[in-house]
Amino acid sequence: QIQLMQSGAEVKKPGSSVKVSCKASGGTFSGYTIVWVRQAPGQGLEWMGGVIPTFGSENSAPDLQRRVTFTADESMTTGYMEVSSLTPEDTAVYYCAAEGLAAAFEIWGQGTLVTVSS
Amino acid sequence: QSMLTQPPSMSAAPGQKVTISCSGSSSNIGKNYVSWYQQLPGTAPKLLIRQTNKRPSGVPDRFSGSKSGTLATLTITGLQTGDEAVYYCGTAHYSLRVFGGGTKLTVL
Repeated sequence: QIQLMQSGAEVKKPGSSVKVSCKASGGTFSGYTIVWVRQAPGQGLEWMGGVIPTFGSENSAPDLQRRVTFTADESMTTGYMEVSSLTPEDTAVYYCAAEGLAAAFEIWGQGTLVTVSS
Repeated sequence: QSMLTQPPSMSAAPGQKVTISCSGSSSNIGKNYVSWYQQLPGTAPKLLIRQTNKRPSGVPDRFSGSKSGTLATLTITGLQTGDEAVYYCGTAHYSLRVFGGGTKLTVL
């Protein structure tokens, strides 16, 4: 079973962008969708969207669609999430996960804290 | 406002049984499998139940899932202090993915 390792914490200014990576070890993302979920401080889980690395096809939550991009490298070992036009409301822990059959998020990364502050 | 509704909190004593509900609609739970996730304090969520009632390898059989119509439930028997966590349900809603708001379980 693959394990997921995410890039480190980020501090960003309002209006800037952030790109978070998610690297698989012990295998590739083949057969999975790489999804991204965020959790604001003290809040629940919010699905942001994801990418099927085999096809490069993306799917995003409607309210984030204009500001978020999901990609994966050709080796299908690393996924990326980029969010633009950041506001303080984007401050959250961002998780990547490997989605398998029946929309089950089977494997999770450790999370990346993104803080947006002036 | 989550598409899936869970009770915000529940509590029970060690050894008891607890049932956590997740209410949705015909567009999500009513037509799709349900997953359940356990999030221990300060950690990433972990898949507990997939395809409504299947436990991934390593998940104790004290955890079970079921569904009737647009209501899914997670049952935990023989509660342990280590089960104290926030539990989330999740499913598909057309091409999207949705979570419940989470249920904080306190084991007294």
